[in-house]
Amino acid sequence: GAVVSQHPSRVICKSGTSVKIECRSLDFQATTMFWYRQFPKQSLMLMATSNEGSKATYEQGVEKDKFLINHASLTLSTLTVTSAHPEDSSFYICSAWGGGAYEQYFGPGTRLTVT
Amino acid sequence: AQSVTQLGSHVSVSEGALVLLRCNYSSSVPPYLFWYVQYPNQGLQLLLKYTTGATLVKGINGFEAEFKKSETSFHLTKPSAHMSDAAEYFCAVSGGAGGTSYGKLTFGQGTILTVHP
Repeated sequence: GAVVSQHPSRVICKSGTSVKIECRSLDFQATTMFWYRQFPKQSLMLMATSNEGSKATYEQGVEKDKFLINHASLTLSTLTVTSAHPEDSSFYICSAWGGGAYEQYFGPGTRLTVT
Repeated sequence: AQSVTQLGSHVSVSEGALVLLRCNYSSSVPPYLFWYVQYPNQGLQLLLKYTTGATLVKGINGFEAEFKKSETSFHLTKPSAHMSDAAEYFCAVSGGAGGTSYGKLTFGQGTILTVHP
């Protein structure tokens, strides 16, 4: 299947700083990318949908000014957590969709810890 | 609106025994249904999916699931468990093509499968 990478895999940052997470589709063009967060021992919650060249669509309750999403190319989407706080600590997972035979390909996830 | 309920947050089986993970969904439109597996600190891997057509779908690693519209269910089964099957399993639903929920996955709470020797 198609490969999606995320970078970094783990990041520790201080409260108040910003962190950028990259999601790349390595061998296909992703017209749409999705960002999820997963708290310990919980399920994945969709945060936002990102279409190449347009503004992201955020799910209800997700602060768009805090979680900045950019999908500048068909192979790269970034999620920036601005002014991070300890409650933002979570596992962030992206998925990419090429729009063909319906299947989302998931990245390996990024573990964010805010101290 | 869509929702998914996975019955049983933990399932434990013996190696070689039948695996049955239950999933019920709610959807206002014809659903697309998925099962994913997640190993610790990793992303999700698709096991199988139902979109249209045959209601019994076969996936990787010997897993299969049957879409039962009348029961709004999509239970995951495997005839004989292996130790390597120990992981967390997520059922998910999205709307079909053309709908507003097309592409957006709603996940169940997850079921942790433990396999005993």
